[in-house]
Amino acid sequence: ILNVEQSPQSLHVQEGDSTNFTCSFPSSNFYALHWYRWETAKSPEALFVMTLNGDEKKKGRISATLNTKEGYSYLYIKGSQPEDSATYLCAFGQGGKLIFGQGTELSVKP
Amino acid sequence: DTAVSQTPKYLVTQMGNDKSIKCEQNLGHDTMYWYKQDSKKFLKIMFSYNNKELIINETVPNRFSPKSPDKAHLNLHINSLELGDSAVYFCASSLRLGRTDTQYFGPGTRLTVL
Repeated sequence: ILNVEQSPQSLHVQEGDSTNFTCSFPSSNFYALHWYRWETAKSPEALFVMTLNGDEKKKGRISATLNTKEGYSYLYIKGSQPEDSATYLCAFGQGGKLIFGQGTELSVKP
Repeated sequence: DTAVSQTPKYLVTQMGNDKSIKCEQNLGHDTMYWYKQDSKKFLKIMFSYNNKELIINETVPNRFSPKSPDKAHLNLHINSLELGDSAVYFCASSLRLGRTDTQYFGPGTRLTVL
């Protein structure tokens, strides 16, 4: 059984704080790692697709790194804002499907 | 314009009934998916279709039958609904069937079986 694990499960930060969370996945037979942002009552929205060891991707204040040899990816948010409050999902691409982690729920207080 | 749309958004029904959820994408994608958000909030793949052909069927009960009349539509029909079928169901699409292809999600359908 393939497990994708995210930590922490939830995170509460103050506006302006920088934060990061982790996605762990099997390091063998790696093809792709996806990050999604999921706001309450909305659809998951794609942030990044990462395929190469050492990949770093950035979108505004959000960035991600990838280590395929050890099987983890970090998502960083610099200077968190209340509108960053959401659940952040990672997903491991395998055989034409995505295996999702349970998500990290981020709450940013003004 | 909504890229991936689902109807209905909410569905409340009695145990034993048969119901359908419709999904449409206007992105010109080849591949469509159905996911179930389980009680622990995991998104789990149920089915995928590529060019109207069933590709993935993740040990879903036979009561669930997807139908893809064309590339832009993937409907989910559920027979003899059970209490355990209560969940949020998400449709998604991607350009191709690939591990690196971004999937675009619909808004979800919250199914409640009484």
